[in-house]
Amino acid sequence: DIQMTQSPSSLSASVGDRVTITCRASQGIGNYLAWFQQKPGKAPKSLIYAASSLQSGVPSKFSGSGSGTDFTLTISSLQPEDFATYYCQQYNSYPFTFGPGTKVDIK
Amino acid sequence: EVQLVESGGGLVQPGGSLRLSCAASGFTFSSYSMNWVRQAPGKGLEWISYISSSSSTIYNADSVKGRFTISRDNAKNSLYLQMNSLRDEDTAVYYCTRGSTTGRSDYWGQGTLVTVSS
Repeated sequence: DIQMTQSPSSLSASVGDRVTITCRASQGIGNYLAWFQQKPGKAPKSLIYAASSLQSGVPSKFSGSGSGTDFTLTISSLQPEDFATYYCQQYNSYPFTFGPGTKVDIK
Repeated sequence: EVQLVESGGGLVQPGGSLRLSCAASGFTFSSYSMNWVRQAPGKGLEWISYISSSSSTIYNADSVKGRFTISRDNAKNSLYLQMNSLRDEDTAVYYCTRGSTTGRSDYWGQGTLVTVSS
């Protein structure tokens, strides 16, 4: 199985900050990498797919990059509604594994 | 608008069974693969099961293999998860998700809570 890691596991940031989250796969997955946002008590929401493609309706302040084993999610200017937990997931091969998540909270 | 609505969760004793359902609307259900993903309380996300649009291909996570069975009824726009031999560690919110052409989850339901406890 492909193992996914994320760093940091949590971070504190201020409104307006630029935030970057890293995701690493234990083996190459091409660009078969998705990012999800989850707020407390809510279902996850798709943000990014194919490593860098924005899901329809997602604001352009979210961006993704990377290929192979190393990927990043960037939020260009953090807003109050962006405080949440972010997960990456590889969908290159089953089982489709998730990273452990990165919690973004208010500084 | 794509909608996925799970039901069937509840409290069940260890060793018991439960059947989850997911009602889909707002898209051509028979054209899409589907998944089940779960989340234990306070924990991360775990993909557990996949079914192709025609039911010809099924994948399961090792953690549920031999105990859980995914199925679908395209005539009823519904996805199911039959869960047998339930364990304490199966306690989680269970989400159904729509699979894109590459299988990734693009839309999620609101989830249904399954609690396994004596």
